[in-house]
Order: sequence, then structure tokens, then C-alpha cells
Amino acid sequence: DIQMTQSPSSVSASVGDRVTITCRASQGISSWLAWYQQKPGKAPKLLIYAAFSLQSGVPSRFSGSGSGTDFTLTISSLQPEDFATYYCQQANSFPWTFGQGTKVEIK
Amino acid sequence: EVQLVESGGGLVQPGGSLRLSCAASGFTFSSYEMNWVRQAPGKGLEWVSYISSSGSTIYYADSVKGRFTISRDNAKNSLYLQMNSLRAEDTAVYYCARAGHYFDYWGQGTLVTVSS
Repeated sequence: DIQMTQSPSSVSASVGDRVTITCRASQGISSWLAWYQQKPGKAPKLLIYAAFSLQSGVPSRFSGSGSGTDFTLTISSLQPEDFATYYCQQANSFPWTFGQGTKVEIK
Repeated sequence: EVQLVESGGGLVQPGGSLRLSCAASGFTFSSYEMNWVRQAPGKGLEWVSYISSSGSTIYYADSVKGRFTISRDNAKNSLYLQMNSLRAEDTAVYYCARAGHYFDYWGQGTLVTVSS
């Protein structure tokens, strides 16, 4: 199975800050990577797919990059509604696997 | 508008069974691959099972293989998860999610609690 490792596990940031979350795959997954945002008590929401493609309706302050084993989610200017937990997911091969999550908290 | 609505969760004793359902609307259900994803309380996301649009291809996570069965009824726009031999570690919110590779739509989830 492909293991997905996110860092950091949590980050404290202020509104307007630039936030970067990293996801590393245990083996190469080309660009088969997605990022999700989850708020408490809600289902996850797809933000980025195929490593850097922005899902329809997602604000442009979210961006993704990377390929192979190392990937990044960047929030260019953190907004109040962005405080949530973020997960990466590899879609290269079954079983599809998620990172452990990164909680973005208010500083 | 795409909607996925899960039902069937509840409290069940260890070793028991439960059948989850997911009613789909707002898209051509028979054209899309579907999945179940679960989240234990306070924990991360775990993919559980995948079924192709026709139902001919199915995959399971090792943690549920041999105990859970995914199925679909395209005439009824419905996805199912039959869960047998339930264990305490199966306690989670179960989401149905549309995905060929990426989960673009999710239901609201249904809570399954396995406890005596």
C-alpha cells in the first residue's frame, strides 16, 4: 500500500497568512493526488485534483503543486473560512489512501 | 444538484450486521463509479470500498475484505454496503462518495457504532 505522510500535523496561522502543507507519498504516484478540506461535523470537500487542478467553485487562493512523491497545498492568503483540517489522497492505485490530516488553527 | 444521502447507520453489537444505503440524485448514477469512505471518531479518512459504474469491478480495503460487500442498483440510483461480523474498530461515520479517482461529491455520512 502507498503511505501518505502530511506535514505539519497542525499549523497556527493568522488571517492573511500564507500557509503551506506538504504531502509525501511512499512511492511515486505521478500526479494522482487530491487535496480535501474538512470542517467539523461536515463531509470533506474536494479542493485540488490531479495535483494542481482547481475544483470548480474553489477560490483561487488555493493551489497545488508537485509530482512523483512530493506535493504541496498552498493557501496564499488565509481567510476565516479556511480554518479546517486538510487531507491529501493518492489515486494512483488501490487501496486509495489518505494522509493523516493537517489542522489549520487560528493563531 | 448532486445529492448523496446515506441511511442505515446505528448501534450494533460486535459480530452483528448492518446494511447502509446511499440514495443518489442530480446526476446519471449509472455512469459513475462510487465508493464508501469512513472516518472513526476524531480520526482521519479511510477509503473502504469501490464499485465501478456497472458493478463489474469491486475493490475493498484489507481491513474490511471478507466482511463487507458493496453493491449498487442503477435502476434505483442506490449504493449499498452490507457490513457483517462488525468489530469495535468499525465504529465510524460512513460516507458514500462519487469518484473514479477523486471524491468530488460526498454524502453527509451515517454513524455506525459497534458496541455491546
